[in-house]
Amino acid sequence: NAGVTQTPKFQVLKTGQSMTLQCAQDMNHNSMYWYRQDPGMGLRLIYYSASEGTTDKGEVPNGYNVSRLNKREFSLRLESAAPSQTSVYFCASSEKKVNQPQHFGDGTRLSIL
Amino acid sequence: RKEVEQDPGPFNVPEGATVAFNCTYSNSASQSFFWYRQDCRKEPKLLMSVYSSGNEDGRFTAQLNRASQYISLLIRDSKLSDSATYLCVVRGPDNDMRFGAGTRLTVKP
Repeated sequence: NAGVTQTPKFQVLKTGQSMTLQCAQDMNHNSMYWYRQDPGMGLRLIYYSASEGTTDKGEVPNGYNVSRLNKREFSLRLESAAPSQTSVYFCASSEKKVNQPQHFGDGTRLSIL
Repeated sequence: RKEVEQDPGPFNVPEGATVAFNCTYSNSASQSFFWYRQDCRKEPKLLMSVYSSGNEDGRFTAQLNRASQYISLLIRDSKLSDSATYLCVVRGPDNDMRFGAGTRLTVKP
């Protein structure tokens, strides 16, 4: 019953370093999402992949890239980390059908110094 | 204008109270709607989907008004364990899922 698995759970980076956050789901879902959540705020959509082979920008895509490696995996890359990217990052997946909710991973807590 | 807007809160209510949260969305082509609950520093978890005819799950009732682009959540007989942040979520026409900023609820003894 793994559901959505994110790695790592915690990471500290220095400004300018690069990093890839990994996400995998075992529910055979078509759609996958990356969000960031800053203190006291809701989740903001960074990128999403409605189905394997497609990716689209969300609300806050600047400074990020994504790869939908296969149906199971959707990674988020920070090419040159900035302190403004300090946040909690959540990955989610859902079936690509109306009324199907999302399932979330536990989150990655990322600090950039 | 944000695509999904919620009451800013916070709401502080006594046990047993009834509390209502509101949410509006801007894209009239939005497909489906949900309420999620988030506990401090945890991942969001589905509370309930929102159907056009309205739906109820125990003490929780969700309503949708497509004409006004408005969603609501009513919690009756509040429990201490209902203390959390409640997030309104809207699935757009491109299968993007957008969140409101959340409304924090604290239920006090």
